[in-house]
Amino acid sequence: EVQLVESGGGLVQPGGSLRLSCAASGFIFSTYWMHWVRQVPGKGLVWVSRIKSDGSTTTYADSVKGRFTISRDNAKNTLYLQMNGLRADDTAVYYCARWSDYYGALDVWGQGSTVTVSS
Amino acid sequence: DIVMTQTPLSSPVILGQPASFSCRSSQSLVHSDGNTYLSWLHQRPGQPPRLLIYKISNHFSGVPDRFSGSGAGTDFTLKISRVEGDDVGVYYCMQSTHFPYTFGQGTKLEIK
Repeated sequence: EVQLVESGGGLVQPGGSLRLSCAASGFIFSTYWMHWVRQVPGKGLVWVSRIKSDGSTTTYADSVKGRFTISRDNAKNTLYLQMNGLRADDTAVYYCARWSDYYGALDVWGQGSTVTVSS
Repeated sequence: DIVMTQTPLSSPVILGQPASFSCRSSQSLVHSDGNTYLSWLHQRPGQPPRLLIYKISNHFSGVPDRFSGSGAGTDFTLKISRVEGDDVGVYYCMQSTHFPYTFGQGTKLEIK
């Protein structure tokens, strides 16, 4: 079964750091671009970042550029999002998602990891 | 950034009746490779989004034929021919032609 499982969320103070992980299984992780998308509870979806299959290319939304770092370990089938300088408006559920070149869409989503930034 | 505008924001529908959702982009979503990367996702309460339709009108695996997508350029539509109870939730359109990828604000389907 194709699956993405996020972990690492929690409560952090403003200015703090957190690292999210996304464990992939059921597919050849090293051949897919991977993305992070976030959602403020009760609000819409916002794209955050993406990383190429081999980790050589990364892209970020302006709102997180310079604060967040996306990375991956293909040997461990795991995607990461290192979040530094967290702000209250970073509070959201963070989803990892797989990009399918075939479908031209995000075809597999994790269940999400909740990040709360509050003092 | 490309702005995706969905209407209506809320859609109360009677079971068995059709539903239709609109999505409009601020720029054409036709990619230089000739494809239009417009997809529809469905999110049930407390669950992650799941892909329904890709490249305007193609069904993702397991999606019933009751769902259909159409449109071109900047105007797109998702239709449900007969609404069932499991269809409740929020429907999002997403464009992945231009960076950054952007989503519509969602249309909430409720059973009347």
